[in-house]
Amino acid sequence: SQQGEEDPQALSIQEGENATMNCSYKTSINNLQWYRQNSGRGLVHLILIRSNEREKHSGRLRVTLDTSKKSSSLLITASRAADTASYFCATDANSGNTPLVFGKGTRLSVIA
Amino acid sequence: NAGVTQTPKFQVLKTGQSMTLQCAQDMNHNSMYWYRQDPGMGLRLIYYSASEGTTDKGEVPNGYNVSRLNKREFSLRLESAAPSQTSVYFCASRIQGRNSPLHFGNGTRLTVT
Repeated sequence: SQQGEEDPQALSIQEGENATMNCSYKTSINNLQWYRQNSGRGLVHLILIRSNEREKHSGRLRVTLDTSKKSSSLLITASRAADTASYFCATDANSGNTPLVFGKGTRLSVIA
Repeated sequence: NAGVTQTPKFQVLKTGQSMTLQCAQDMNHNSMYWYRQDPGMGLRLIYYSASEGTTDKGEVPNGYNVSRLNKREFSLRLESAAPSQTSVYFCASRIQGRNSPLHFGNGTRLTVT
């Protein structure tokens, strides 16, 4: 079963606006990762945030993690048409060698 | 540097036919994974191989088998295809364990009629 749940399922914004996507998860994690998927392609890793980190930046991306609420958010600033894609969060469990578990994704459309 | 390569890109099967999806990575990664992606369902793990010589079931293993042929290659076999196996299949790899990102292939689009 999915560990992470993204919210919203779909988001449509104008170019230049900021886009925020949220992810909630259920169990204790070692880290949380965000991926992007362009139509017809495989997923591409964007950013990894560890359970002892609260915020991380990479270019126009900002990720926050609140382990007390079991939630994360991905902010894309100054969005571009090329940011149109689906975005997935994935969690790494805190124990064992279990693989990443993905959510169902947020479909982002950036309108030029 | 090709990364993760999946073959074929597209396949149409009739119910009951068998086929093997191939995956190879050239990044010297230890762990490899097979996911399927269906509309509205996100990615679900079929099987994975944490290291060469080991394989484990994921969330949806029924109807599939895997082989970790060597460190580079991890194949997924459908012995008797069913329409419910119509999906996009992704192979992924990572260096090992937690705290490392997955690298994905571009998928195999399988239709079972």
